[in-house]
Amino acid sequence: GAVVSQHPSWVICKSGTSVKIECRSLDFQATTMFWYRQFPKQSLMLMATSNEGSKATYEQGVEKDKFLINHASLTLSTLTVTSAHPEDSSFYICSARDHWKDWDTQYFGPGTRLTVL
Amino acid sequence: AQSVTQLDSQVPVFEEAPVELRCNYSSSVSVYLFWYVQYPNQGLQLLLKYLSGSTLVESINGFEAEFNKSQTSFHLRKPSVHISDTAEYFCAVSDGGSQGNLIFGKGTKLSVKP
Repeated sequence: GAVVSQHPSWVICKSGTSVKIECRSLDFQATTMFWYRQFPKQSLMLMATSNEGSKATYEQGVEKDKFLINHASLTLSTLTVTSAHPEDSSFYICSARDHWKDWDTQYFGPGTRLTVL
Repeated sequence: AQSVTQLDSQVPVFEEAPVELRCNYSSSVSVYLFWYVQYPNQGLQLLLKYLSGSTLVESINGFEAEFNKSQTSFHLRKPSVHISDTAEYFCAVSDGGSQGNLIFGKGTKLSVKP
């Protein structure tokens, strides 16, 4: 149980285009979803937190107009990187939590490798 | 503000040797502590967690960690490692608030050699 999937697993795009990454909780309802960014040989950096049906809460320094997060249902959250640039190339990881069942634990997706040319 | 320090970025060990991955945290409030493991090209998986109660927690694959409040530590140990334990290990702390945000350490890469 508690499986989180991400799609796509990797994507290459041209500079200036937008990329959408999906995060799905497959066997539980995700009341809260988190988006992280991981640079090579670095730890995970929390970008934003979203609760189903609410606007995402962004961490300091993260541009909300550039990284659009939508959490429209209890099983799906999307991260859209708008007007991507090479410096946005990174490993993006989502996690999900069921506040009512296993409130203390985040379950992580496998990540999406974004390369912007 | 909370923070997590993993003192060793890399730990090479031989198979069947014991290993300890160190984790120290700082927080002004009660915390919940986690160890996550990331195998190559995979996402993070929860290894074990401390919320309350017994300070020694164990995982199903032989790892254990002990919460030491006085030393603000949550070191991860295994008495005998396998090649398959080769992975990146992340220590994380949460204040257990409504959002349950995790603060991660920088990770320790465990390399088990035959």
